[in-house]
Amino acid sequence: QITLKESGPTLVKPTQTLTLTCTFSGFSLSTSGVNVGWIRQPPGKALEWLALIYWNDDKRYSPSLRNRLTITKDTSKNLVVLTMTDTDPVDTATYYCAHSSGDPWIWFDPWGQGTLVTVSS
Amino acid sequence: SYELTQPPSVSVSPGQTARITCSGDTLPKQYAYWYQQKPGQAPVVLIYKDTERPSGIPERFSGSTSGTTGTLTISGVQAEDEADYYCQSADSSGTYVIFGGGTKLTVL
Repeated sequence: QITLKESGPTLVKPTQTLTLTCTFSGFSLSTSGVNVGWIRQPPGKALEWLALIYWNDDKRYSPSLRNRLTITKDTSKNLVVLTMTDTDPVDTATYYCAHSSGDPWIWFDPWGQGTLVTVSS
Repeated sequence: SYELTQPPSVSVSPGQTARITCSGDTLPKQYAYWYQQKPGQAPVVLIYKDTERPSGIPERFSGSTSGTTGTLTISGVQAEDEADYYCQSADSSGTYVIFGGGTKLTVL
């Protein structure tokens, strides 16, 4: 059974760096074709894809947020970390990590429960 | 930039058929995927690769594509199907993931 869980701060101040960790089980990110993505959802709004890290350490970022995001993985610890710099109140959202294994086709199944991050002074 | 366009809302009576569309220029080249999200819950994939249904997803959920439009069809809608539905695809090169704006399904 594949499970993922996001963790990180619930509140960050504007301009601070946000670091989120996705801890997973039931799969290995060293397995060919396996990926982990980050997606966020502002309150009452739509899903927005942020980043994706591949089993071979290839990385993809949303073009609109590329300059602020960094995604890394620690295969031995079964975790993926997303860093977002220079946060703003518009970054307030529930942040999800999710598993994908259809490489080269990307879809997310399953998702973590999500973690709500509020950016406010 | 690439976009996927969904109607903001769809309403249907129980037992009827609901169709939710997703329009985008990349759909002739990239697959469409569909997710259901109920309040306070994470999204769950309903359809992958245009028409495939994961195990455990009821048969009343089906997907299709034609040209630049993908469609999620829910046959015999039930009250429990009231939720937000999102389509997802990729840009034409398959580099970036794109989500539609979501459709709220109301069961009357």
